[in-house]
Amino acid sequence: QVQLAESGGDLVKPGGSLRLSCAASGFTFSDFHMAWIRQGPGKGLEFVSYMSKTGKTIYYGNSVRGRFTISRDNAKKSLFLQMNSLRAEDTAVYYCAREGWQIAAFDLWGQGTLVTVSS
Amino acid sequence: DIQMTQSPSTLSASVGDRVTITCRASQNINSWLSWYQQKPGKAPKLLIHQASNLEFGVPSRFSGSGSGTEFSLTITSLQPDDFATYYCQQYNNYSPWTFGQGTKLEIK
Repeated sequence: QVQLAESGGDLVKPGGSLRLSCAASGFTFSDFHMAWIRQGPGKGLEFVSYMSKTGKTIYYGNSVRGRFTISRDNAKKSLFLQMNSLRAEDTAVYYCAREGWQIAAFDLWGQGTLVTVSS
Repeated sequence: DIQMTQSPSTLSASVGDRVTITCRASQNINSWLSWYQQKPGKAPKLLIHQASNLEFGVPSRFSGSGSGTEFSLTITSLQPDDFATYYCQQYNNYSPWTFGQGTKLEIK
């Protein structure tokens, strides 16, 4: 079954760190570019980070640049997001998403993992 | 950064209606515009990519159009399953991946 499964969400204090993981199954992970997208409570979708299939191209959203780091392990079919210096405004459901082949759109999403930043 | 502005923010309609949601980009994005549907508590679902290409398995009552800075999503003959929130998303080489603020489609 083609799917993405996020994990690692938790309650963390402001200034803390967290590492999210996304496990891919049912498709050749190394053939696809991947991204993290988040959604704050009651809010819209916000692009967080993107990594090309080889890892050579990386983008970050303005609000997380310098604090978050994206990485991937193609052998383990996994995508990661290291989040440092967390702030209350980082509270959100974090989705892992696959970019469809040459369509510049995300055609496969995980169920999301909740990150709550609060003291 | 490229900004995406959707309108309206909320849309009330009835089953069987035809509705249109618009999305405006602050810069030319050619046809690199996608539309997603999201239901409460669920991940977004891709409906349309490259402005007018229907994703596999999406009903033909959904259609997209536009290029440059003006885009639209049209749903003909609304079905009960279509009441959800819709987002547009742009791609640009220099300012990739921005979403619109969303349009909530409600039952009148």
